[in-house]
Amino acid sequence: DVKVTQSSRYLVKRTGEKVFLECVQDMDHENMFWYRQDPGLGLRLIYFSYDVKMKEKGDIPEGYSVSREKKERFSLILESASTNQTSMYLCASRPGQGRFRTEAFFGQGTRLTVV
Amino acid sequence: QQQVKQSPQSLIVQKGGISIINCAYENTAFDYFPWYQQFPGKGPALLIAIRPDVSEKKEGRFTISFNKSAKQFSLHIMDSQPGDSATYFCAASYRAGGTSYGKLTFGQGTILTVHP
Repeated sequence: DVKVTQSSRYLVKRTGEKVFLECVQDMDHENMFWYRQDPGLGLRLIYFSYDVKMKEKGDIPEGYSVSREKKERFSLILESASTNQTSMYLCASRPGQGRFRTEAFFGQGTRLTVV
Repeated sequence: QQQVKQSPQSLIVQKGGISIINCAYENTAFDYFPWYQQFPGKGPALLIAIRPDVSEKKEGRFTISFNKSAKQFSLHIMDSQPGDSATYFCAASYRAGGTSYGKLTFGQGTILTVHP
């Protein structure tokens, strides 16, 4: 079974802290994604990586950065956490390299609360 | 800007009824349209998907209808069951070519409640 594992289910951080959310996938997928999920807004793409060290901004990248040093790991960084970044964060992976129309696999999500 | 618009935001259906969720898109570069199902406390999981050269795809009680000229697609759940209660997301993906082809863009989600 494909597995996408997010390092924490729940996190509480203080305003101004630097926050790291980690995601690991075990299926050798080229594409990895970070989404945030908010009621009524659906899943909004923060950042997308299509290869090691390659990244592309999604729809809402402001206040976030990402790192992909190894193929299996994709990290989301909140440089200075703010209360409006309180949300559910979902990591996903998907095959690439010419294989399109493929399934994306999601982690369980990290519920981040910034106080 | 939301490139995929989904409605309704919530839907209540009686057991045995038909649930219908609609999505619309603008970008003609999309060429793969999946639906994802999410239960509470879980990540979304693929339910069913369609390509734009097909007008309908059926898997069990779930059917996608696709209207390319209108740039709309919909999910129909026949004989809805309480176990279908979940959040449903439509999505769209770009055709191959360029780095963006792996990217998935989601709609706003529909919370479906099926009453027994």
